[in-house]
Amino acid sequence: RKEVEQDPGPFNVPEGATVAFNCTYSNSASQSFFWYRQDCRKEPKLLMSVYSSGNEDGRFTAQLNRASQYISLLIRDSKLSDSATYLCVVRAGDSSYKLIFGSGTRLLVRP
Amino acid sequence: NAGVMQNPRHLVRRRGQEARLRCSPMKGHSHVYWYRQLPEEGLKFMVYLQKENIIDESGMPKERFSAEFPKEGPSILRIQQVVRGDSAAYFCASSRGGSNQPQHFGDGTRLSIL
Repeated sequence: RKEVEQDPGPFNVPEGATVAFNCTYSNSASQSFFWYRQDCRKEPKLLMSVYSSGNEDGRFTAQLNRASQYISLLIRDSKLSDSATYLCVVRAGDSSYKLIFGSGTRLLVRP
Repeated sequence: NAGVMQNPRHLVRRRGQEARLRCSPMKGHSHVYWYRQLPEEGLKFMVYLQKENIIDESGMPKERFSAEFPKEGPSILRIQQVVRGDSAAYFCASSRGGSNQPQHFGDGTRLSIL
């Protein structure tokens, strides 16, 4: 079983739609959680950290459920520029520096 | 305001040759991490280095791969006797400290083995 699992997609949505991505992680000792965005053939860029109480940054909302070991990302009012691969990332429980990446969920926003 | 600099951006090697990938961390960062991304997969941790020290190389293949971060100059990821399966994107990240510090990624080096 992968340490971080995501639905690969692609999610194909029209502009303005709301879309949600889910992610599960296997190590209950995991400490920190993030969503990264990766454009085609580019480096991953931090989109937002995920906090236990849930957090919002503009059109993006992230949720964490430690009991279920589940993380989500909600994107409202999708823009064409949101098209990318969204990576669920967990900081390993046995070290505070090692990032564990999911394989990513691909989002395509169409006009 | 240079970020993490990796070079080359693209590297083509024939089977059996050596590949050297370089990474210069952000200014003020002394911690470097290397990750590998195979096609259609997520990034996988390879190695964590501080200046002149390898802190964790648990993600490095046991043979042919080595990494260093000398006192002067960039961090180097070296792959000897490359094989087709080494074809991947190799990303370097740096941070100011080690524990729980944000990691900033470079553009990556795309290694292709003929």
